[in-house]
Parts: sequence; structure tokens; C-alpha cells
Amino acid sequence: NAGVTQTPKFQVLKTGQSMTLQCAQDMNHNSMYWYRQDPGMGLRLIYYSASEGTTDKGEVPNGYNVSRLNKREFSLRLESAAPSQTSVYFCASSEWQASSPLHFGNGTRLTVT
Amino acid sequence: QKEVEQDPGPLSVPEGAIVSLNCTYSNSAFQYFMWYRQYSRKGPELLMYTYSSGNKEDGRFTAQVDKSSKYISLFIRDSQPSDSATYLCAPSGDGTGRRALTFGSGTRLQVQP
Repeated sequence: NAGVTQTPKFQVLKTGQSMTLQCAQDMNHNSMYWYRQDPGMGLRLIYYSASEGTTDKGEVPNGYNVSRLNKREFSLRLESAAPSQTSVYFCASSEWQASSPLHFGNGTRLTVT
Repeated sequence: QKEVEQDPGPLSVPEGAIVSLNCTYSNSAFQYFMWYRQYSRKGPELLMYTYSSGNKEDGRFTAQVDKSSKYISLFIRDSQPSDSATYLCAPSGDGTGRRALTFGSGTRLQVQP
């Protein structure tokens, strides 16, 4: 079972470059999420999509955009990368009901120089 | 005050020890309580999922919730080196329909052989 798949696993960008992080889930979940994880800060929500066709901002949305391409796929775009966006990015999915457990991918490690 | 707080550790114990991991939260409305385990360079995975106050046991793991003091615990009996990981708590279900989980920053556990 693939679960939640994230690509790429690693990426190094220069300041000002753009990139898109890809995420796909095969569990037929309605809701999908993007978190970033930094030392001492824990997991912080960037954006989420409660269902296909909807997206909402989380705690730290500045500098990011998202696209819910279809029920399976949810991408995160950095239009102009900054060193402050150096982090590990996790995609997750869940059933539609609030408080459903999240299922995570294994992350994308991004370094912005 | 953070909504969910955990001691970051690291907590180092010898193999076979009983481990107690703790978490406090500020929102008294939370009804569901999850513990996630995260191995190094992996995504978090759901370990325990409980509802309301009380205890839940699963093998060597016991989750305990005290809603009156807003305190969550995870006990690990007969700890193994394979239990070495970061443990994140995530209370949820505050009745607002908020979908995404809020995580503690995690406690790093090291079990020494």
C-alpha cells in the first residue's frame, strides 16, 4: 500500500527560485494537508483542503500556494523561495470527518540557500 | 501559551524501562486524543487514538487522558531500542469543525540497549 506519496524527497533551491512539491494519496480520502516541521516548532499547518475543490489557509500560509488538482493530488508551490522556507514539508490526508486521524507521507527536505 | 505543549527531551532510558511521555493542552473542549510516533527522516504515524477521559491499552502502550487537568500521557512498558523515536501528541475535536490537527512539538525518546 503506497498511502501518501511525496515527491521529491530532497531539494535544494537558491533564493528566489520557484518549485512545486507534489503529493498523492491512494486511500480515497477527502481531506488533504500540508505541514512544515522545524526544530523546536513542531508541525505547523500551511494549507489544507477539506474536500476536492476547496482550500483554506492554515497557521503559516505566507509565501505558499496550493492546488487541489483532483481528489488524489494536492500540490504546494513556492513562488519565490526564501531561506526561511528551509524545512521538512509533510503532506497528509484524512477521512472527511473532523478529528479523523491524519496519514502522513515521508516528507520533502527542502534547503533554500 | 501554546495550545499543546510537550517536553522536547531527549529522554534517555535503558532497554526494559517503563517510559512516561506527557502532554498538556489548553483547550478544554478537546474530545479526541492522538499519539503519533515519528522515526528519524520519516513521517509521523498514528500510534494511539482515544476518546474522552480514561485509559486505552494496546500491547505495550497505554494512553491516559485526564480532561479535568488537560493532561495526556503515553506509557510504554518494557521499552525496546525500536521505540526510539519522537512522540507527538495531538488533541482534537473541539466542536468547531476544525479539521486539521494541532500537534505538540514532540518528545524525543532514546532507548539504550
